[in-house]
Amino acid sequence: QSVLTQPPSVSAAPGQKVTISCSGSSSNIGNNYVSWYQQFPGTAPKLLIYENNKRPSGIPDRFSGSKSGTSATLGITGLQTADEADYYCGTWDSSLSAVFGRGTKLTVL
Amino acid sequence: QVQLVQSGAEVKKPGASVKVSCKASGYTFTRYDINWVRQATGQGLEWMGWLNPVSGKTGYAQKFQGRVTMTRNTSISTAYMELSSLRSEDTAVYYCARGLSIDLWGRGTLVTVSS
Repeated sequence: QSVLTQPPSVSAAPGQKVTISCSGSSSNIGNNYVSWYQQFPGTAPKLLIYENNKRPSGIPDRFSGSKSGTSATLGITGLQTADEADYYCGTWDSSLSAVFGRGTKLTVL
Repeated sequence: QVQLVQSGAEVKKPGASVKVSCKASGYTFTRYDINWVRQATGQGLEWMGWLNPVSGKTGYAQKFQGRVTMTRNTSISTAYMELSSLRSEDTAVYYCARGLSIDLWGRGTLVTVSS
Protein backbone atom coordinates (compact mmCIF):
# COMPACT_ATOMS: atom_id res chain seq x y z
CA GLN A 1 0.00 0.00 0.00
CA SER A 2 1.48 3.34 -1.10
CA VAL A 3 1.93 6.16 1.36
CA LEU A 4 0.52 8.67 -1.15
CA THR A 5 -3.01 8.26 -2.47
CA GLN A 6 -3.87 8.93 -6.11
CA PRO A 7 -6.98 8.07 -8.10
CA PRO A 8 -6.35 4.97 -10.24
CA SER A 9 -7.64 6.66 -13.36
CA VAL A 10 -8.94 9.92 -14.79
CA SER A 11 -10.26 10.78 -18.20
CA ALA A 12 -11.24 13.81 -20.23
CA ALA A 13 -11.77 14.84 -23.82
CA PRO A 14 -9.11 16.41 -26.03
CA GLY A 15 -8.74 20.10 -25.36
CA GLN A 16 -10.24 19.84 -21.88
CA LYS A 17 -8.56 20.17 -18.50
CA VAL A 18 -7.91 17.41 -15.99
CA THR A 19 -6.57 17.37 -12.46
CA ILE A 20 -4.90 14.51 -10.61
CA SER A 21 -4.83 14.57 -6.82
CA CYS A 22 -2.19 13.20 -4.47
CA SER A 23 -2.96 12.92 -0.79
CA GLY A 24 -0.40 12.32 1.92
CA SER A 25 0.29 13.33 5.49
CA SER A 26 2.25 15.77 7.59
CA SER A 27 5.22 13.41 7.60
CA ASN A 28 5.59 13.57 3.83
CA ILE A 29 3.72 16.07 1.61
CA GLY A 30 2.99 18.36 4.51
CA ASN A 31 6.67 19.09 5.08
CA ASN A 32 8.36 18.40 1.77
CA TYR A 33 8.29 19.37 -1.88
CA VAL A 34 6.18 17.33 -4.28
CA SER A 35 7.25 16.15 -7.72
CA TRP A 36 5.17 14.74 -10.55
CA TYR A 37 6.29 12.23 -13.17
CA GLN A 38 4.87 11.12 -16.50
CA GLN A 39 5.46 7.57 -17.70
CA PHE A 40 4.61 6.00 -21.02
CA PRO A 41 4.46 2.19 -21.32
CA GLY A 42 7.89 0.62 -21.53
CA THR A 43 9.76 3.82 -20.77
CA ALA A 44 11.30 5.47 -17.75
CA PRO A 45 9.40 8.10 -15.77
CA LYS A 46 10.02 11.70 -16.75
CA LEU A 47 9.97 14.66 -14.37
CA LEU A 48 7.08 17.03 -15.09
CA ILE A 49 6.90 19.16 -11.94
CA TYR A 50 9.35 19.64 -9.08
CA GLU A 51 9.26 21.67 -5.87
CA ASN A 52 5.46 21.62 -5.99
CA ASN A 53 4.96 23.88 -8.98
CA LYS A 54 8.14 24.30 -11.02
CA ARG A 55 8.53 22.96 -14.53
CA PRO A 56 11.84 21.67 -15.85
CA SER A 57 13.06 23.14 -19.09
CA GLY A 58 11.09 21.77 -22.02
CA ILE A 59 7.90 20.96 -20.11
CA PRO A 60 5.02 22.96 -21.61
CA ASP A 61 3.02 25.31 -19.41
CA ARG A 62 -0.06 23.15 -20.02
CA PHE A 63 1.28 21.19 -17.02
CA SER A 64 1.01 22.80 -13.59
CA GLY A 65 1.39 21.74 -10.01
CA SER A 66 0.11 22.98 -6.68
CA LYS A 67 0.22 21.96 -3.06
CA SER A 68 -1.97 22.74 -0.09
CA GLY A 69 -1.36 21.23 3.30
CA THR A 70 -0.95 17.49 2.89
CA SER A 71 -2.27 17.28 -0.66
CA ALA A 72 -0.95 18.13 -4.08
CA THR A 73 -2.53 18.45 -7.50
CA LEU A 74 -1.29 18.09 -11.04
CA GLY A 75 -3.23 20.01 -13.68
CA ILE A 76 -3.10 19.46 -17.40
CA THR A 77 -4.88 21.85 -19.75
CA GLY A 78 -5.48 21.59 -23.48
CA LEU A 79 -5.42 17.81 -23.30
CA GLN A 80 -3.86 15.96 -26.20
CA THR A 81 -3.98 12.28 -27.05
CA ALA A 82 -0.20 12.31 -26.59
CA ASP A 83 -0.78 13.05 -22.88
CA GLU A 84 -2.19 9.56 -22.34
CA ALA A 85 0.19 8.07 -19.80
CA ASP A 86 0.59 7.13 -16.17
CA TYR A 87 1.24 9.98 -13.74
CA TYR A 88 2.94 9.59 -10.38
CA CYS A 89 3.38 11.97 -7.50
CA GLY A 90 6.42 11.67 -5.27
CA THR A 91 7.94 13.29 -2.23
CA TRP A 92 10.18 12.54 0.75
CA ASP A 93 9.11 11.57 4.22
CA SER A 94 10.43 12.16 7.69
CA SER A 95 12.45 8.96 7.60
CA LEU A 96 14.44 10.32 4.64
CA SER A 97 12.78 7.87 2.27
CA ALA A 98 11.23 8.78 -1.04
CA VAL A 99 7.60 7.83 -1.41
CA PHE A 100 5.40 7.63 -4.49
CA GLY A 101 1.72 7.36 -5.24
CA ARG A 102 0.47 4.23 -7.01
CA GLY A 103 -0.03 6.17 -10.20
CA THR A 104 -2.97 7.53 -12.16
CA LYS A 105 -3.74 6.40 -15.68
CA LEU A 106 -4.87 9.30 -17.84
CA THR A 107 -7.17 8.50 -20.74
CA VAL A 108 -7.88 11.16 -23.33
CA LEU A 109 -11.23 10.18 -24.79
CA GLN B 1 24.23 14.85 -23.18
CA VAL B 2 23.10 14.56 -19.58
CA GLN B 3 22.14 10.96 -18.98
CA LEU B 4 22.32 7.90 -16.80
CA VAL B 5 23.26 4.74 -18.68
CA GLN B 6 22.36 1.46 -17.03
CA SER B 7 23.66 -2.04 -17.56
CA GLY B 8 21.76 -4.64 -19.52
CA ALA B 9 19.02 -7.06 -18.57
CA GLU B 10 19.77 -9.89 -16.17
CA VAL B 11 18.22 -13.28 -15.51
CA LYS B 12 18.92 -14.79 -12.12
CA LYS B 13 17.89 -17.84 -10.17
CA PRO B 14 16.18 -17.54 -6.79
CA GLY B 15 18.72 -17.04 -4.03
CA ALA B 16 21.29 -15.43 -6.30
CA SER B 17 22.45 -11.80 -6.31
CA VAL B 18 22.36 -9.18 -9.04
CA LYS B 19 24.47 -6.06 -9.45
CA VAL B 20 23.20 -3.25 -11.68
CA SER B 21 25.38 -0.36 -12.78
CA CYS B 22 24.46 3.22 -13.59
CA LYS B 23 26.99 5.45 -15.37
CA ALA B 24 26.49 9.20 -15.27
CA SER B 25 27.53 11.42 -18.13
CA GLY B 26 27.10 15.05 -19.08
CA TYR B 27 27.18 16.34 -15.52
CA THR B 28 29.39 16.16 -12.46
CA PHE B 29 28.65 12.80 -10.88
CA THR B 30 29.51 13.95 -7.36
CA ARG B 31 27.05 16.84 -7.34
CA TYR B 32 23.91 14.73 -6.97
CA ASP B 33 22.80 11.73 -4.95
CA ILE B 34 21.74 8.64 -6.85
CA ASN B 35 18.46 6.94 -6.04
CA TRP B 36 17.37 3.45 -7.00
CA VAL B 37 13.72 2.83 -7.80
CA ARG B 38 12.13 -0.36 -9.04
CA GLN B 39 8.90 -1.13 -10.85
CA ALA B 40 7.32 -4.54 -11.23
CA THR B 41 5.27 -5.14 -14.36
CA GLY B 42 2.02 -3.23 -14.17
CA GLN B 43 2.87 -1.83 -10.76
CA GLY B 44 3.91 1.52 -9.36
CA LEU B 45 7.27 2.98 -8.43
CA GLU B 46 9.05 1.64 -5.36
CA TRP B 47 12.00 3.56 -3.90
CA MET B 48 14.82 1.35 -2.68
CA GLY B 49 17.43 3.78 -1.38
CA TRP B 50 19.94 6.52 -2.09
CA LEU B 51 23.70 6.91 -2.36
CA ASN B 52 25.82 10.00 -1.84
CA PRO B 53 28.59 9.75 -4.44
CA VAL B 54 30.99 11.94 -2.47
CA SER B 55 30.92 10.19 0.89
CA GLY B 56 29.53 6.83 -0.15
CA LYS B 57 26.89 7.24 2.52
CA THR B 58 23.69 5.35 1.86
CA GLY B 59 20.10 5.22 3.04
CA TYR B 60 17.94 2.20 2.35
CA ALA B 61 14.21 1.63 2.48
CA GLN B 62 13.38 -0.55 5.46
CA LYS B 63 11.99 -3.22 3.15
CA PHE B 64 15.40 -3.78 1.58
CA GLN B 65 17.63 -3.40 4.63
CA GLY B 66 20.06 -6.29 4.80
CA ARG B 67 19.53 -7.28 1.17
CA VAL B 68 20.61 -4.22 -0.80
CA THR B 69 24.01 -2.59 -1.10
CA MET B 70 24.64 0.63 -3.00
CA THR B 71 28.18 1.61 -3.92
CA ARG B 72 30.00 3.85 -6.36
CA ASN B 73 33.23 4.33 -8.27
CA THR B 74 33.76 8.06 -8.67
CA SER B 75 36.69 7.58 -11.06
CA ILE B 76 34.27 6.27 -13.68
CA SER B 77 31.15 8.17 -12.52
CA THR B 78 29.27 4.96 -11.88
CA ALA B 79 26.88 3.87 -9.17
CA TYR B 80 25.97 0.28 -8.38
CA MET B 81 23.04 -1.44 -6.74
CA GLU B 82 23.41 -5.02 -5.59
CA LEU B 83 20.40 -7.00 -4.40
CA SER B 84 20.92 -10.38 -2.79
CA SER B 85 18.78 -13.39 -1.87
CA LEU B 86 16.66 -12.80 -4.93
CA ARG B 87 13.14 -14.15 -5.10
CA SER B 88 10.52 -14.15 -7.82
CA GLU B 89 8.91 -11.02 -6.36
CA ASP B 90 12.11 -9.11 -7.16
CA THR B 91 11.42 -9.43 -10.87
CA ALA B 92 11.15 -5.81 -11.97
CA VAL B 93 12.72 -2.98 -13.90
CA TYR B 94 15.32 -1.26 -11.76
CA TYR B 95 15.98 2.44 -12.37
CA CYS B 96 18.71 4.73 -11.14
CA ALA B 97 17.61 8.34 -10.82
CA ARG B 98 19.36 11.55 -9.89
CA GLY B 99 19.02 13.88 -6.95
CA LEU B 100 16.51 15.14 -4.44
CA SER B 101 14.04 16.07 -7.14
CA ILE B 102 14.70 12.76 -8.91
CA ASP B 103 14.96 14.78 -12.10
CA LEU B 104 16.87 12.40 -14.36
CA TRP B 105 16.21 8.70 -14.81
CA GLY B 106 18.13 5.91 -16.43
CA ARG B 107 16.31 3.78 -18.99
CA GLY B 108 15.98 0.91 -16.54
CA THR B 109 17.40 -2.59 -16.20
CA LEU B 110 15.07 -5.56 -16.30
CA VAL B 111 15.94 -8.15 -13.69
CA THR B 112 14.12 -11.43 -14.04
CA VAL B 113 14.23 -13.94 -11.20
CA SER B 114 13.21 -17.39 -12.33
CA SER B 115 14.18 -20.97 -11.67
